[in-house]
Amino acid sequence: RKEVEQDPGPFNVPEGATVAFNCTYSNSASQSFFWYRQDCRKEPKLLMSVYSSGNEDGRFTAQLNRASQYISLLIRDSKLSDSATYLCVVNMNTGNQFYFGTGTSLTVIP
Amino acid sequence: DGGITQSPKYLFRKEGQNVTLSCEQNLNHDAMYWYRQDPGQGLRLIYYSQIVNDFQKGDIAEGYSVSREKKESFPLTVTSAQKNPTAFYLCASTGQPNQPQHFGDGTRLSIL
Repeated sequence: RKEVEQDPGPFNVPEGATVAFNCTYSNSASQSFFWYRQDCRKEPKLLMSVYSSGNEDGRFTAQLNRASQYISLLIRDSKLSDSATYLCVVNMNTGNQFYFGTGTSLTVIP
Repeated sequence: DGGITQSPKYLFRKEGQNVTLSCEQNLNHDAMYWYRQDPGQGLRLIYYSQIVNDFQKGDIAEGYSVSREKKESFPLTVTSAQKNPTAFYLCASTGQPNQPQHFGDGTRLSIL
């Protein structure tokens, strides 16, 4: 079983739509959680850290559910510029290793 | 500006040749990582280092080697033993526990 699993998509949504991605992780000892955005042929860039209370940054909301071992990312009012691959990342402090999902592809359509 | 610098951006390797990818950071981070990404796939860990003069193998270390002689630098050598080296290589670093990784802008390696 993979440490981190994401639905690869693709998700094709119209501009202005709300879209949500889920990510599940297998190790209950996981400590830190992040969402990254990766554009085609570019490096991943940090979108949000995910805190246990949930957090919001403009149109983006991230939530953590430790009991069910998943994290989510909600994007409201989608823009064309949101088109990218979204990576779920989980860190277990022991050994400070990071585990990456394979990413969810989002295309926002005019 | 603080950040991670990878060079070169593009690299071509001949058969039987070793090549070295550079990664330098001025973020004062202790931990540094090397990942490989193949088209349409996720990141796979090659090597990582938590502290100077120490490093550990990741999931796909065969055919690669690293060194960590300075805190700022974590070069990756792709040896001739790596039979399928064509990929996008990403270097990352992180500071305190629970903090996210910062990435360099990557090196694309191809076979001539």
